[in-house]
Amino acid sequence: AQSVSQHNHHVILSEAASLELGCNYSYGGTVNLFWYVQYPGQHLQLLLKYFSGDPLVKGIKGFEAEFIKSKFSFNLRKPSVQWSDTAEYFCAVTEFGNEKLTFGTGTRLTIIP
Amino acid sequence: EAQVTQNPRYLITVTGKKLTVTCSQNMNHEYMSWYRQDPGLGLRQIYYSMNVEVTDKGDVPEGYKVSRKEKRNFPLILESPSPNQTSLYFCASSLSDSPYEQYFGPGTRLTVT
Repeated sequence: AQSVSQHNHHVILSEAASLELGCNYSYGGTVNLFWYVQYPGQHLQLLLKYFSGDPLVKGIKGFEAEFIKSKFSFNLRKPSVQWSDTAEYFCAVTEFGNEKLTFGTGTRLTIIP
Repeated sequence: EAQVTQNPRYLITVTGKKLTVTCSQNMNHEYMSWYRQDPGLGLRQIYYSMNVEVTDKGDVPEGYKVSRKEKRNFPLILESPSPNQTSLYFCASSLSDSPYEQYFGPGTRLTVT
């Protein structure tokens, strides 16, 4: 069974710092990859997704993620964070042809003004 | 406005008292799913439905039931709630040809005493 690991449970940064959140998955076949964000008190929203093609994908609000197949990773990045980026971030994976979406345990990001 | 709605948003109940959490979507999506979110565990899938009258178990189905009599509705039923079902529940929906891009409802916070 596939699994998703997010090793950073809580990250605290100052505004304007650069961000990188790690995501690793276990499945060896073709995968679809996602990052979801959950702002305080809100529901999950899709931040960005990777299905195929360019391994560097850009999402909303200046976020991007890079799929590195050899490392089974899909890390989320942002060059300069803002206080409004404070949220919980979830990496998620599906195997190609399988509708089941498996989530990581999430990373809580706190931005200090 | 395209959305997934859940009711109630907050519920406190007692052990053994049957309850239903409703979920409705107005996007004509075939695929619907229920998740529970617990600290440190991320989101885990309870049940999903590929279309009307088609439902299947997710990772943590014990203690839950679902039904899909209409395309837009996917209620979650707890026949005899227990304290370990205290959690935050999310309903999600998507098109069947893109079950990975799921739209989430606002969540239902359930407390079972």
